[in-house]
Amino acid sequence: DAKTTQPTSMDCAEGRAANLPCNHSTISGNEYVYWYRQIHSQGPQYIIHGLKNNETNEMASLIITEDRKSSTLILPHATLRDTAVYYCIVRVTQGGSEKLVFGKGTKLTVNP
Amino acid sequence: KAGVTQTPRYLIKTRGQQVTLSCSPISGHRSVSWYQQTPGQGLQFLFEYFSETQRNKGNFPGRFSGRQFSNSRSEMNVSTLELGDSALYLCASSPFPGRETQYFGPGTRLLVL
Repeated sequence: DAKTTQPTSMDCAEGRAANLPCNHSTISGNEYVYWYRQIHSQGPQYIIHGLKNNETNEMASLIITEDRKSSTLILPHATLRDTAVYYCIVRVTQGGSEKLVFGKGTKLTVNP
Repeated sequence: KAGVTQTPRYLIKTRGQQVTLSCSPISGHRSVSWYQQTPGQGLQFLFEYFSETQRNKGNFPGRFSGRQFSNSRSEMNVSTLELGDSALYLCASSPFPGRETQYFGPGTRLLVL
């Protein structure tokens, strides 16, 4: 079972910041939070990941709360091409190995 | 650097047949994971290979199997296909297993008639 919960859908105006929330209240101290997105029928695209500190790269910023029970992915200037399903994932350790457990994700629609 | 490649991209089979899908990881990546994506179940983990050994397996029947070659390329096989096996099969690679970022290929879309 997924260890994260996300809103089913969100809308954002083109050029504005898109803030996608994620709850992961059962996260363990050494588990990373990963964000991927999937544009219709393509393979998921890696966006960013973090453990405790906020992270930023050329695609997005990741804000993780101090208690690590939730995080927010920020796309600073959303474009139409950012319309996709965004997955917030906590890696699960199983049998000494780790795997990605995907939830339903958030369908982000960027409107012109 | 080239990304993860998967072949074929599309496939149509009939019930009872078997199918083999191929995945070539990013150069230098030695860990390969497979996922199945369906509208009803979403993205589900199938198995992970590293150094030609299966390290982890999801909750799928024994009809689903895989292997990895010495060059890190991987194949997955589904025998006795069922209608419910129609899905997008995704392969992801990383340099090593564990806490390494996985990069996904475009997927193979399988339709079982």
